[in-house]
Amino acid sequence: GQQLNQSPQSMFIQEGEDVSMNCTSSSIFNTWLWYKQDPGEGPVLLIALYKAGELTSNGRLTAQFGITRKDSFLNISASIPSDVGIYFCAGGNTNAGKSTFGDGTTLTVKP
Amino acid sequence: ETGVTQSPTHLIKTRGQQVTLRCSSQSGHNTVSWYQQALGQGPQFIFQYYREEENGRGNFPPRFSGLQFPNYSSELNVNALELDDSALYLCASSANMNTEAFFGQGTRLTVV
Repeated sequence: GQQLNQSPQSMFIQEGEDVSMNCTSSSIFNTWLWYKQDPGEGPVLLIALYKAGELTSNGRLTAQFGITRKDSFLNISASIPSDVGIYFCAGGNTNAGKSTFGDGTTLTVKP
Repeated sequence: ETGVTQSPTHLIKTRGQQVTLRCSSQSGHNTVSWYQQALGQGPQFIFQYYREEENGRGNFPPRFSGLQFPNYSSELNVNALELDDSALYLCASSANMNTEAFFGQGTRLTVV
């Protein structure tokens, strides 16, 4: 079945630093999504990508859809304490609804 | 516009029992997907309902079943609970099977 490999598994950074995380797949997707999950909550959608090569920003967050359609990355610039949480990538195919999730990158930001 | 809501938020059940979890989809959304999230892992797709019909199922046994109602709310039923069913159960709604789905806060199920 489809599997997503997300790396790194965890990151410990200083406030103000930039962060980069990525996701690779053995299968092609035509949609890539990035979510953030806080403890005790459901995942919150951060960015959705629909086209190979697409680069999309949401405030300090930037994500790219890899041209092979098998990978994506998420960058966070100038991290702040509220960026702490678990970041998940998810791959999907249009109108199939189902998304396949990675196992997350846990981000810790030290003030 | 209300978001996705799930009930209950927490539940403790005994092995062998049955459980029903509920989800109200976001206003305007006709598609509901259910996911199981074990501790330290990403959500795993259980199944999806679109306009009251099952539209795809993940690698879960038949004792996991569901329903979607005419108002697009949904239920997840699990029979013969096992200890490994302990997890956070997430419901996500979207419009017309769109992959851009919005999650509820989840139901934390503990099986003892």
